[in-house]
Amino acid sequence: GQSLEQPSEVTAVEGAIVQINCTYQTSGFYGLSWYQQHDGGAPTFLSYNGLDGLEETGRFSSFLSRSDSYGYLLLQELQMKDSASYFCAVRDGGSQGNLIFGKGTKLSVKP
Amino acid sequence: DSGVTQTPKHLITATGQRVTLRCSPRSGDLSVYWYQQSLDQGLQFLIQYYNGEERAKGNILERFSAQQFPDLHSELNLSSLELGDSALYFCASSSPGGADTQYFGPGTRLTVL
Repeated sequence: GQSLEQPSEVTAVEGAIVQINCTYQTSGFYGLSWYQQHDGGAPTFLSYNGLDGLEETGRFSSFLSRSDSYGYLLLQELQMKDSASYFCAVRDGGSQGNLIFGKGTKLSVKP
Repeated sequence: DSGVTQTPKHLITATGQRVTLRCSPRSGDLSVYWYQQSLDQGLQFLIQYYNGEERAKGNILERFSAQQFPDLHSELNLSSLELGDSALYFCASSSPGGADTQYFGPGTRLTVL
C-alpha cells in the first residue's frame, strides 16, 4: 500500500524560509504533489514533481528524489497568509488517479 | 475559485437519515473524485468516476454510494447516517491525463446529530 510521512507541525517567522519534508512508500510511483489548505478551506494544488529535481513556482519550490523516496516543499519569504496545512500526496498506483494524502503539516507563521 | 462547485455548503441532519451531496466538475474535466476529511483521519479517498463510469473505490462504506451523470455532475449519497459520518466532504476534478493536479470544490460540511 501507500503511506506518506510528514511532520505534523512547523513554526516559523515572517520573512524566513521553511522546508516541509515528505517521505513515501508506494507500490507504484507517478510523482509527488503538494497541496495547501487554509483552515475551513479546500485543498489547493501547489506543485507536482514527476522527475527528480527542483520545481520552482514563485516563493514556493518543491524537490523530489525518487531514489530516496523523499521530497520537500520549500517556502521562502514567508508571509502570514502562508499559515495553513500542507499535504504531500501520491497517486494510488493501482488506480486511475485518486490521491493518497499525508496527514498534513500545519505551518504557523509568526510576526 | 477552482471552478468546481459543491452544494450544499453545510448540512445538519440526524442519525439514521439519508443525504445527497452534489458536485459539478470544472468545464472539460471528465474525472470526479470524492474525499472525506475528518479531524482524526485526514483526507480519505472515497470513490472516483470518469466520464460516467466508476474507476476506483477507496474506503467507502456500503452505506455510501455515488454516481456521475451524463452532464458529468456527480452525487454522493450517504444513508443510515451515524455520528461518525460528520466530516467535510470534498469533490475534486481533473482533466484527462492530469490526475496529479486535482481541483477541489469548497466542500460540504456534514454534521450528524
